[in-house]
Amino acid sequence: EPEVTQTPSHQVTQMGQEVILRCVPISNHLYFYWYRQILGQKVEFLVSFYNNEISEKSEIFDDQFSVERPDGSNFTLKIRSTKLEDSAMYFCASSRQGGATNEKLFFGSGTQLSVL
Amino acid sequence: DQQVKQNSPSLSVQEGRISILNCDYTNSMFDYFLWYKKYPAEGPTFLISISSIKDKNEDGRFTVFLNKSAKHLSLHIVPSQPGDSAVYFCAASGGNTGKLIFGQGTTLQVKP
Repeated sequence: EPEVTQTPSHQVTQMGQEVILRCVPISNHLYFYWYRQILGQKVEFLVSFYNNEISEKSEIFDDQFSVERPDGSNFTLKIRSTKLEDSAMYFCASSRQGGATNEKLFFGSGTQLSVL
Repeated sequence: DQQVKQNSPSLSVQEGRISILNCDYTNSMFDYFLWYKKYPAEGPTFLISISSIKDKNEDGRFTVFLNKSAKHLSLHIVPSQPGDSAVYFCAASGGNTGKLIFGQGTTLQVKP
């Protein structure tokens, strides 16, 4: 069964450093997402991406965050200057049709980001 | 932002019995509701969904009920199995955005 893959599974970084989290969505999916879950809190939407541009973003997704689809398979989340509060599990997700009703998202296993 | 709420952080049931997980929402624009299951160190896995035009959807041991007037949905698992032990998230979407709003999750423990 096709799945969303994320690398690395764990990332430790120093505050102020840049990190790039990588994802390979399911190959025939067109909509891509990043979510995050801070320990003990809800899974929160960060951003959705379609046709090489951001289609929606949350308040969390400020200027320190960016997303990119550098080639036909990868989807990345970059945090330019990490803060302690960026420590969380980051989930990538994809779907065939993001704007359609009754469309479920498929999630990767996540990258645990720890900012020290 | 508490648009989707799961008020029970945990639930413990005996193997073979019914598990009922509850979820409430406030946004009347939501028209699609999903349940995801999550094991430790894994991402959420889709379990079952329901459109707002229905009030029930069944898939094997899993049934989701939707009460639009009460803005409430529930997931029934019967019979419950130890392998069902996980965190269950209710999620909702609407307005053709594809974005999901998640509840806080309920940790289900099924005891043998």
